[in-house]
Amino acid sequence: GENVEQHPSTLSVQEGDSAVIKCTYSDSASNYFPWYKQELGKRPQLIIDIRSNVGEKKDQRIAVTLNKTAKHFSLHITETQPEDSAVYFCAATLSIPNSGYSTLTFGKGTMLLVSP
Amino acid sequence: SAVISQKPSRDICQRGTSLTIQCQVDSQVTMMFWYRQQPGQSLTLIATANQGSEATYESGFVIDKFPISRPNLTFSTLTVSNMSPEDSSIYLCSVTDSFLNSGNTIYFGEGSWLTVV
Repeated sequence: GENVEQHPSTLSVQEGDSAVIKCTYSDSASNYFPWYKQELGKRPQLIIDIRSNVGEKKDQRIAVTLNKTAKHFSLHITETQPEDSAVYFCAATLSIPNSGYSTLTFGKGTMLLVSP
Repeated sequence: SAVISQKPSRDICQRGTSLTIQCQVDSQVTMMFWYRQQPGQSLTLIATANQGSEATYESGFVIDKFPISRPNLTFSTLTVSNMSPEDSSIYLCSVTDSFLNSGNTIYFGEGSWLTVV
């Protein structure tokens, strides 16, 4: 089955700096890579995702890149703010179009701390 | 995106008892899943709740411990049976539907925080 490795486990940055979280996956058939943000005491919230036919996707201050050959993908947050502080999880899955079927394998999470 | 409601949101349970968690979705969805998140850990898939048939369990999870029902396309329950302190976790219902414009994006309910004493 799929195995997802995530690094670093904790990341501390100053407000305004950039933050990068990296993940690798093992199953070359995986084709969908979401990122979730989980604030303390809350559910994971999808913040951005990328599919295997795309190399990069950007949404305001966050971006995700995918290297299928190397089987790794990264989350980039620019101009970090204290409210970005949370645990971030990457995940990988084989998403079967029109089947509605996707089960996620998650990385272990990265605790991001943004200091004012 | 789908609106997913879970009950209870929190509970403190006695060792040896069982608790059933309910998950209600505001639209019909193809697939419903149950995840567990132990304190400070990542999310682990327990099982896929199949409508009209038995759930499909992941390695390490068994039906006797985590019985699941899925009577229709909008509702599922997960029971945590004969609880021990090791079962203290957040239990999360999630859904995906190829007919949502999200294209198989997976969404989570608010979670059920269980503490076993």
